[in-house]
Amino acid sequence: SQQGEEDPQALSIQEGENATMNCSYKTSINNLQWYRQNSGRGLVHLILIRSNEREKHSGRLRVTLDTSKKSSSLLITASRAADTASYFCATDERSGGGADGLTFGKGTHLIIQP
Amino acid sequence: GAVVSQHPSRVICKSGTSVKIECRSLDFQATTMFWYRQFPKQSLMLMATSNEGSKATYEQGVEKDKFLINHASLTLSTLTVTSAHPEDSSFYICSARDFLAGPSSTDTQYFGPGTRLTVL
Repeated sequence: SQQGEEDPQALSIQEGENATMNCSYKTSINNLQWYRQNSGRGLVHLILIRSNEREKHSGRLRVTLDTSKKSSSLLITASRAADTASYFCATDERSGGGADGLTFGKGTHLIIQP
Repeated sequence: GAVVSQHPSRVICKSGTSVKIECRSLDFQATTMFWYRQFPKQSLMLMATSNEGSKATYEQGVEKDKFLINHASLTLSTLTVTSAHPEDSSFYICSARDFLAGPSSTDTQYFGPGTRLTVL
């Protein structure tokens, strides 16, 4: 199965609510990243968390990393309609050194209802 | 952040023709670029790693003779889909690796906006 699995695959919430997405991976990593992709567009880098970090914040985003469980979560607080997009986690677990490409999860499609 | 461009943004071609997609890092030099493919409603899958001045490294199952990669300079990598067929229709996304050495080293991939290829 593909590494970097996200759940849920789809999430629909009301504007103003918080959205939480989870990601799991299978091997050791140096870092884990979250990206956003609007329909038919390229990727926007949101946040990177290193393997020795447990939590990181950026604006309305909060990312956690639990290396013992090989999982990460992305929390978007006070969601806005503009947050509607697909969110992917990606790891460097291919090489452990970042020299190779990223391994992406299947993504969570987030819909913010106005 | 750093900017990566792709050209064209979308292309429609007839079956059997070849299509070239360009990936450029606009404000940094990238010794390594990556090419990904994304089918509708699916995730990105790495196709190949493009290294400036050397041959590309292809992922298992990706035909190197079909997807020709050239990384001629530190700011440009090209992907040529040769003899394209309808099953090659996909969203192709490149990324460029920006590595900064030092005490606070960073190693970030910046993604291009993607190229949507439709083969009739």
